[in-house]
Amino acid sequence: NAGVTQTPKFQVLKTGQSMTLQCAQDMNHNSMYWYRQDPGMGLRLIYYSASEGTTDKGEVPNGYNVSRLNKREFSLRLESAAPSQTSVYFCASSEERRGGNTYNEQFFGPGTRLTVL
Amino acid sequence: DQQVKQNSPSLSVQEGRISILNCDYTNSMFDYFLWYKKYPAEGPTFLISISSIKDKNEDGRFTVFLNKSAKHLSLHIVPSQPGDSAVYFCAASGMKTSYDKVIFGPGTSLSVIP
Repeated sequence: NAGVTQTPKFQVLKTGQSMTLQCAQDMNHNSMYWYRQDPGMGLRLIYYSASEGTTDKGEVPNGYNVSRLNKREFSLRLESAAPSQTSVYFCASSEERRGGNTYNEQFFGPGTRLTVL
Repeated sequence: DQQVKQNSPSLSVQEGRISILNCDYTNSMFDYFLWYKKYPAEGPTFLISISSIKDKNEDGRFTVFLNKSAKHLSLHIVPSQPGDSAVYFCAASGMKTSYDKVIFGPGTSLSVIP
């Protein structure tokens, strides 16, 4: 099993350009997430998808769109990149939360390092 | 305002000694706490967790302690090994959401010196 895969690993964009970050998981997980990691900020949730066909905003959704193409794939799109979107982007997946005092571990991909000039 | 705080950006420890990483949170609705470990150029990996109904959870060399009244948790690594050198993220979950919403702290970079 590959776990969670992300493409590309690195990307440099100019301000105003668009691009899509791809993510796929082979663990049959229902939930998928997109985070960004910035120095001193930890990981912040951009969007998540609780199941195929559903998506919802996280903490920092502005400037991004997502598509849950099927159960395996969850893509993140930057329509018009800005320097403030320079960051490392992580995709993650987990089982559906069953409620109560439980937690399902999130499995992360290796990340995409994006620079916007 | 950050709901999960890790006030030490970095920590250096001698090999074989104890590493103590601290974490504070502000939201009393959190009911599950986790530690993730991250090596450079890799994604975070889950390390250990603790439910709010417990005050201690142990897994090999790693122990997490939770003090709910102080809204504080700590990760103890004993003995520390060079391979433990990584960034450690404290995270909190809860609020009865339908998905595993997790709030991450900013991370503490641990260096274990041989």
